Amino acid sequence: QKEVEQNSGPLSVPEGAIASLNCTYSDRGSQSFFWYRQYSGKSPELIMSIYSNGDKEDGRFTAQLNKASQYVSLLIRDSQPSDSATYLCAVVGPGTASKLTFGTGTRLQVTL
Amino acid sequence: DVKVTQSSRYLVKRTGEKVFLECVQDMDHENMFWYRQDPGLGLRLIYFSYDVKMKEKGDIPEGYSVSREKKERFSLILESASTNQTSMYLCASSLTAGRGYTFGSGTRLTVV
Repeated sequence: QKEVEQNSGPLSVPEGAIASLNCTYSDRGSQSFFWYRQYSGKSPELIMSIYSNGDKEDGRFTAQLNKASQYVSLLIRDSQPSDSATYLCAVVGPGTASKLTFGTGTRLQVTL
Repeated sequence: DVKVTQSSRYLVKRTGEKVFLECVQDMDHENMFWYRQDPGLGLRLIYFSYDVKMKEKGDIPEGYSVSREKKERFSLILESASTNQTSMYLCASSLTAGRGYTFGSGTRLTVV
């Protein structure tokens, strides 16, 4: 079982819709959770971090964390074509104080 | 904002050459990382460093070495480049993993 799992996609949503991206992780003791956005040919860019159960909102982005179920999700409201990218989920596991484990990413396509 | 600078955006090297990839960060971060990213395989950790002159192997260290003589600089060395080392190489730094990583812009290396 991979430590951090994401559906590779592509996830296709129409412009203006809500995009929902999901991530599960295997280590129950994981502590910190991040979402990165990566445009084709570019490096990953941190867009959200979440540390406790519940929702965290930042503009059109909402991160959701459920530690009991070991999943973290990213909602993008009012999706725009510029949101088309690969979204990487990353997790800090227990005993790995300085190291992130990344999922392989979900490719999002926002269609006109 | 933290800036992580990778010295080259694109490199073309011949098989058997010794290749140096340089990474410099400007925010006094303790932790620095080298990843390679390949389609379908996601980000794979090559080496990381928690402090000057300190290094630890990641998931795929074979064929690579690193050097960290100064806190701000972390170099990746391909001792004898091979075609299977053709990839996007990403450097990252962090104060602690709990704050996520900042990535450099990446070096796309082609070995011919």
